[in-house]
Amino acid sequence: DGGITQSPKYLFRKEGQNVTLSCEQNLNHDAMYWYRQDPGQGLRLIYYSQIVNDFQKGDIAEGYSVSREKKESFPLTVTSAQKNPTAFYLCASSPRLAEETQYFGPGTRLLVL
Amino acid sequence: DAKTTQPPSMDCAEGRAANLPCNHSTISGNEYVYWYRQIHSQGPQYIIHGLKNNETNEMASLIITEDRKSSTLILPHATLRDTAVYYCIVAGDSNSGYALNFGKGTSLLVTP
Repeated sequence: DGGITQSPKYLFRKEGQNVTLSCEQNLNHDAMYWYRQDPGQGLRLIYYSQIVNDFQKGDIAEGYSVSREKKESFPLTVTSAQKNPTAFYLCASSPRLAEETQYFGPGTRLLVL
Repeated sequence: DAKTTQPPSMDCAEGRAANLPCNHSTISGNEYVYWYRQIHSQGPQYIIHGLKNNETNEMASLIITEDRKSSTLILPHATLRDTAVYYCIVAGDSNSGYALNFGKGTSLLVTP
């Protein structure tokens, strides 16, 4: 089955700890995105990548980092600099950048202990 | 800034048609209307999109007014599994950026 997978489904982070969220797609899409969703709110863009070895900051990139070493993978690291990391994180991909039909993964819920 | 306006919530009886409205009075000529839905604690799911003609697929129909200032998503025979938050999004212009502005959407509750 083609699609986007995210792992883990739930993730707990201790204060001062970096954690990495996984996102993998087998849709052969060039563009990938990371969004953050807070309760009752819409999605906000953290980072996006147009192609391998390229990525750009979105609206709320502070405290986050990404890499795009392979076409199918776009991991997100939530660093200790992110002061309020508790949220629902969603990864998406599209055939090309600004192709608005985006396909989303199931999400990772991050909780700070 | 949200470019669309949707009612915060709606109810629909199972088996009936669900008609979800969306106002987008500032839509520009080359922008599309997209609909996504998000079932609780899952990632958003693409439903349908259109420019100015009405569109239909296996999930829903999209009716866009002639002046393109509003649209309606129609789920012809709603089921309990259609309970979700439905987002109307206007995108496609070069100024839209690369994020989808989901806003708060309409929370649809399908009841038995």
